[in-house]
Amino acid sequence: AQSVTQLDSQVPVFEEAPVELRCNYSSSVSVYLFWYVQYPNQGLQLLLKYLSGSTLVKGINGFEAEFNKSQTSFHLRKPSVHISDTAEYFCAVSGDTGRRALTFGSGTRLQVQP
Amino acid sequence: EPEVTQTPSHQVTQMGQEVILRCVPISNHLYFYWYRQILGQKVEFLVSFYNNEISEKSEIFDDQFSVERPDGSNFTLKIRSTKLEDSAMYFCASTRLQGARETQYFGPGTRLLVL
Repeated sequence: AQSVTQLDSQVPVFEEAPVELRCNYSSSVSVYLFWYVQYPNQGLQLLLKYLSGSTLVKGINGFEAEFNKSQTSFHLRKPSVHISDTAEYFCAVSGDTGRRALTFGSGTRLQVQP
Repeated sequence: EPEVTQTPSHQVTQMGQEVILRCVPISNHLYFYWYRQILGQKVEFLVSFYNNEISEKSEIFDDQFSVERPDGSNFTLKIRSTKLEDSAMYFCASTRLQGARETQYFGPGTRLLVL
C-alpha cells in the first residue's frame, strides 16, 4: 500500500530565504506524486505534480520539486520565499495498484517571517 | 477559472442527527471524490464516484455514509447518524478524466462539528 511521510510538521523561515519541505513515499510500484498548498480558509490547490520524465518538476509560484526514485523522495523547494507563501503544504501520492485516490502526508506548515 | 464549491462552509449538529454536505464540481468534470481531515490529522480519502456509482471507497466509508448526484450539478455526502468522531473538515474534489495521473481540484471544505 502507498504511504507518504512529511518529516517536518512546521518550518519557520525568514522572508527571501530558501526553503525545502521534505516528503518521502512508500509504494511497491511506480506512482504519481503531487504537492498541494492550502491557504487559510481555502481548499487544496495543486502546486505541481510528477507523472514521468524529467525528475525536476516546476510548479506555480516559483516552487519546484525533485523526484528521487532511489531515495523515494519528492522534496519541495523554493529559492526565495515570500510572506504570502505562508500556508500548509501537503505531499500526496496516487497510482499504487491503479488506485486513483490520493494518499496524503500529514502536512507541513510553512511560516514565513519578515 | 472554474472552481469546486461546497456548502455550507460550517455546520454544527447534534450527535445522531443526519447531515448532508453539498458540493458543486467543475462543470465538465466526471469523477468526484470526498476526503476528510480530522483536526490535526492527515487528509483521508473517503469515496470516489463516477457515472452514478461508487468507484472506490475506503474503510472509513461505512454504512453511515452515502453519496449521491441528485441532479446535473450537485454531489452530496450524507452522514445518516453523526458521531462525535465525524467532526472534521470534509473536502470535495473532481477530475475531468479517469486515472491516477489526473489533477484533483478541491473545494474549500465544510467544517463539521458534532456535539
